[in-house]
Amino acid sequence: GIQVEQSPPDLILQEGANSTLRCNFSDSVNNLQWFHQNPWGQLINLFYIPSGTKQNGRLSATTVATERYSLLYISSSQTTDSGVYFCAVSSNDYKLSFGAGTTVTVRA
Amino acid sequence: DGGITQSPKYLFRKEGQNVTLSCEQNLNHDAMYWYRQDPGQGLRLIYYSQIVNDFQKGDIAEGYSVSREKKESFPLTVTSAQKNPTAFYLCASSLTGASINEQYFGPGTRLTVT
Repeated sequence: GIQVEQSPPDLILQEGANSTLRCNFSDSVNNLQWFHQNPWGQLINLFYIPSGTKQNGRLSATTVATERYSLLYISSSQTTDSGVYFCAVSSNDYKLSFGAGTTVTVRA
Repeated sequence: DGGITQSPKYLFRKEGQNVTLSCEQNLNHDAMYWYRQDPGQGLRLIYYSQIVNDFQKGDIAEGYSVSREKKESFPLTVTSAQKNPTAFYLCASSLTGASINEQYFGPGTRLTVT
């Protein structure tokens, strides 16, 4: 299966700071999703982005499919941004392979 | 109000008992999935189904069984053969045959087996 590596594993931010999370994957994909897992375990869809760039409020994402990586940008971080961010990919089927996640802690 | 529901939220069982986790969706999605999450790790696929009355094993299917008798429902049974059943279980669904097959997740069931 496709290997997914996320970095960094942990990130501590001061409120208001900007950050970049990275996702590398080992094969071509036709689905790439970014999720935020809240403290209750719910996975919240952030982006569906197999290629290109998207923005949603303070969050944006870029996927460079030819180079097999995706970036998630968090700007002006808030304490509510804390949680685990997952990247997940699939190719030619519907099975998502997940990375291990980046745990983000935003301090007030 | 469309979405995916999972019940119960918390489940406690004794070792050696089978237990069934419920997953229902009203998004009219064709495909449904079951994932398992262990502490500090990403999700791993247990089973998936792209159409009613058909399902395939994922990466960690041993000790689990599923059925797909209705489009809206995809229950997961954790059998006594599953060696480490304590985990967080998440159900998901998506469209199939579309150019976008974005998966959406339910709130999960935390299973504890002692």
